[in-house]
Amino acid sequence: GAVVSQHPSRVICKSGTSVKIECRSLDFQATTMFWYRQFPKQSLMLMATSNEGSKATYEQGVEKDKFLINHASLTLSTLTVTSAHPEDSSFYICSARVTSGRALDTQYFGPGTRLTVL
Amino acid sequence: DAKTTQPPSMDCAEGRAANLPCNHSTISGNEYVYWYRQIHSQGPQYIIHGLKNNETNEMASLIITEDRKSSTLILPHATLRDTAVYYCIVNLRGFKTIFGAGTRLFVKA
Repeated sequence: GAVVSQHPSRVICKSGTSVKIECRSLDFQATTMFWYRQFPKQSLMLMATSNEGSKATYEQGVEKDKFLINHASLTLSTLTVTSAHPEDSSFYICSARVTSGRALDTQYFGPGTRLTVL
Repeated sequence: DAKTTQPPSMDCAEGRAANLPCNHSTISGNEYVYWYRQIHSQGPQYIIHGLKNNETNEMASLIITEDRKSSTLILPHATLRDTAVYYCIVNLRGFKTIFGAGTRLFVKA
């Protein structure tokens, strides 16, 4: 149980285009999901907290107009990178918090999405 | 500021126990100790967590000192597939997870 998926697993796009990444909790409902990004040889950096039915909370220094987050259902959150530029190339990872059962409040992570902006 | 201190890297022989230490001297009474690991180019994998008592599951054991200022993650029989970066995280239950640098564990044949 507690499986989180991401789609796509990797995407290459041209500079100036927008890219949407989906994060799904497959076997549990998640009122809260989190988005991270990771640059090569660095640790994960939290970008934002996504709450179902409300606005996301962004970490300091993360542009909310550039990284649009929508959490429209209890199993799906999306991250849209708008007007992507090469410096946005990174590994984007989501996580979802379990809301019931033995694993209550534990975060499970998706496999990540590798974004390359040309 | 990081709430935990971990060695940057460790080696372990395949088949032996891997003991990964973590210091969290400023942990508060209601904060849990979580361990995750990240294998190259994958998302982090949850391993185990605990509050006060030692915990064991199918992946690992977590030993927390009585004063809760440090803990050790034990992989009882390390395999080459356990080579990864291991993150020790101190957190309020359900709160957002902030990652430090972790420990890079190399399991060698």
